[in-house]
Amino acid sequence: KQEVTQIPAALSVPEGENLVLNCSFTDSAIYNLQWFRQDPGKGLTSLLLIQSSQREQTSGRLNASLDKSSGRSTLYIAASQPGDSATYLCAVFLSNYQLIWGAGTKLIIKP
Amino acid sequence: KAGVTQTPRYLIKTRGQQVTLSCSPISGHRSVSWYQQTPGQGLQFLFEYFSETQRNKGNFPGRFSGRQFSNSRSEMNVSTLELGDSALYLCASSSEEGRYEQYFGPGTRLTVT
Repeated sequence: KQEVTQIPAALSVPEGENLVLNCSFTDSAIYNLQWFRQDPGKGLTSLLLIQSSQREQTSGRLNASLDKSSGRSTLYIAASQPGDSATYLCAVFLSNYQLIWGAGTKLIIKP
Repeated sequence: KAGVTQTPRYLIKTRGQQVTLSCSPISGHRSVSWYQQTPGQGLQFLFEYFSETQRNKGNFPGRFSGRQFSNSRSEMNVSTLELGDSALYLCASSSEEGRYEQYFGPGTRLTVT
């Protein structure tokens, strides 16, 4: 059974720092992995999608990597800003058309 | 293109009632999935539809059901509501062409009293 774990559960850093969020999954048989952002009381915004055959994807200050063999993905945020404060969720998409979710990392960027 | 839309955005219901939530996918997307989000359980998969057929269903009781129409719009129904059904219900749509990237709507906040 696929399980997704995110560490840490919460993170508070000063503005301007570079940071890394971690996601691990137990079964390498995934179709893709997506990182999402969720602001309080809101829906989910897709940040990056990495296909199972890819190693990394970049969008602006965000870089996500995928190591299927070790069951790990990281989301790197460069030069963090207070507007980056949110909960970040990773999810793996399986061949049976469902996303399995991590519990999220709550990120606070202090001005 | 317009994004995924969900109606209503907020609902308050009483235990024992039933509720129907609606989701309109991005134009051209034929896959629609539903997820429940609660503080205790996080995000959990309810079901997925493609071309009016349910392809997969999560581990929820039979009180939770759904359907998809020929225009790809989807509805989910919860009968005999329980307090524990209070949650944010999220709908996602995706294209079947390669990436299966999931695009989410804003969700429906259901409160059961």
